[in-house]
Parts: sequence; C-alpha cells; structure tokens
Amino acid sequence: GAVVSQHPSRVICKSGTSVKIECRSLDFQATTMFWYRQFPKQSLMLMATSNEGSKATYEQGVEKDKFLINHASLTLSTLTVTSAHPEDSSFYICSARGLNQPQHFGDGTRLSIL
Amino acid sequence: AQSVTQPDIHITVSEGASLELRCNYSYGATPYLFWYVQSPGQGLQLLLKYFSGDTLVQGIKGFEAEFKRSQSSFNLRKPSVHWSDAAEYFCAVGVEDTGRRALTFGSGTRLQVQP
Repeated sequence: GAVVSQHPSRVICKSGTSVKIECRSLDFQATTMFWYRQFPKQSLMLMATSNEGSKATYEQGVEKDKFLINHASLTLSTLTVTSAHPEDSSFYICSARGLNQPQHFGDGTRLSIL
Repeated sequence: AQSVTQPDIHITVSEGASLELRCNYSYGATPYLFWYVQSPGQGLQLLLKYFSGDTLVQGIKGFEAEFKRSQSSFNLRKPSVHWSDAAEYFCAVGVEDTGRRALTFGSGTRLQVQP
C-alpha cells in the first residue's frame, strides 16, 4: 500500500537552532501534504496544508515565519522549525494524499529542544 | 466548522471482552469519517473509514464502526479485545473545505487492556 516516510524520527537539539523535518510519499504523487502537531497526551492539531508548487496555508495561530514549509515536488514536503525553543518540543506528524487517495500518515518526528 | 468529540478519555477492558469507543461529530453535510490507532511514540494507522454506502464499515484487526446519521455518531467496536489493542484511538472527520481536505481529530481515547 501507499507509504509515507518521515525523517528523522527523533531529533534533540539546542535552543536557537533550526531543524528540518522531511516528509516523503514513496509510491504515489502527493498533491497535498499536511503537517500536524501533537502535544503529549493530546490530539493532533493541523498546523498547515501545503500543495505542490504553491505556498502553504497555515492554520490560525501558527507562525509561518517560525514553521517554514516547502513542498517543492510531488513526493517531498519539508517543515523547518526555525530558531527552535523548548516550547517547540512536540511530536510532529505529516500526512500526504494524492488524487483519489485518502491521507496516509508518516510515523512522526519527536522534537526535543534543550 | 466541523468538530469531533470522543467522550471517553480513558477506557480499560479485560482481554477477550468486547469494546466500544464512542465518537460524535458535528458537520453540516455528510462527512468522511475515520478511525486511527496510535501506539506510543508512533504515527497513525488507519483502522477504517466511511465515505458513503453501507453504514457498517469493516476495518483491519477485527474492528468495525457504524455510522448513524441520526445520532451523528461513528462508534468503533471490536467483539473481543486483544492485549495488543492497547493504544490511543482517534476518530477524525474529513471534509472538503476549499480543497484543503484536512482532517479534524477528536481528543482521543486511550485503551488499556487488562490480562
């Protein structure tokens, strides 16, 4: 079946650094990719939606300058957390969907900012 | 805007017992409904989905769910729970919203299985 690969699965870095998370659709063309954030013991909250070749649409309250999203190809979207701080520590999950495809989720990235 | 409510934050059942996880949604039209399972530190796995047609949907791992429009519900059931079913379960509604087609998730129900 369709697979979405998310990398890295876990990252620990110092406050102030930038972190890039990749989301790849392995066997289908993802016309739309979604980025979710999940705090411990909470549900997934949509951060942004990205369509290939266009700017991402951010949900209310999500800082677009903080969370940079690039969807340059039909198989890859990246989320860059810029100048990360401890409050950015969270579990980030991407999902991708193509034509006539439901959303397929990656395995998530656990980001820990020291 | 659409919303999803999972009234039960935490449920504990004995292995072999039946299970029902509740989900209620709010949406003006017929929604697309999903159930996902998440093991600790892992991503989401789709258990089943409802788009249209038969309101009783069969999924993987022996799960099923029934869409009841009159009750705005999409409860997840399993006749006999296995210890490996212990996880977090999320109900989600998908809508066609300006082409974004994002999912709105419920708050989740944590299932604990007792031996």
